[in-house]
Amino acid sequence: QKEVEQDPGPLSVPEGAIVSLNCTYSNSAFQYFMWYRQYSRKGPELLMYTYSSGNKEDGRFTAQVDKSSKYISLFIRDSQPSDSATYLCAMSVTNDMRFGAGTRLTVKP
Amino acid sequence: NAGVTQTPKFRILKIGQSMTLQCTQDMNHNYMYWYRQDPGMGLKLIYYSVGAGITDKGEVPNGYNVSRSTTEDFPLRLELAAPSQTSVYFCASSQDRGRQPQHFGDGTRLSIL
Repeated sequence: QKEVEQDPGPLSVPEGAIVSLNCTYSNSAFQYFMWYRQYSRKGPELLMYTYSSGNKEDGRFTAQVDKSSKYISLFIRDSQPSDSATYLCAMSVTNDMRFGAGTRLTVKP
Repeated sequence: NAGVTQTPKFRILKIGQSMTLQCTQDMNHNYMYWYRQDPGMGLKLIYYSVGAGITDKGEVPNGYNVSRSTTEDFPLRLELAAPSQTSVYFCASSQDRGRQPQHFGDGTRLSIL
């Protein structure tokens, strides 16, 4: 079993849809949770950063962490073609970080 | 506002050749990392450094070497390139290893033929 599992997709949605991206993990010690967005031929850029369980909202993006279920989610509201990218989840303890394999998202106009 | 800068952006090598991938950061971060990203496989840690003069192996270090003589620079050396090293290489830096997020460069696409 991989330490971090992420459905690779691809996921295709129409413009304006609500997108849900998810990761599960096995290490209950993870405390810090991140979502990165990676455009084609670019490096991952930090999108959301949360500590422990709960929700965090930033504009159209909401990150959720459920530590009891070892499950994290990223919701994108009113999705735009510019949101088309690969989304990587990441999680860490104080001295180590693990990444999901990424979910490729396409938002069609 | 450069962040993490990687050069070159793209390179083709012949089997057995050597090369150095360059990485520089201007955020004064102590921690720097090298990853490779293969399709569907996510980011695999090759080497990391906790500061000038201190480096350690990651998950997939074989065939690579690193050095860290300054806070800003963290070059990755490939000796005797092999087709299995065809990949996209990303350098990253962070304030600390786990509690702060990592900041990435735009990668070096390396093909070995």
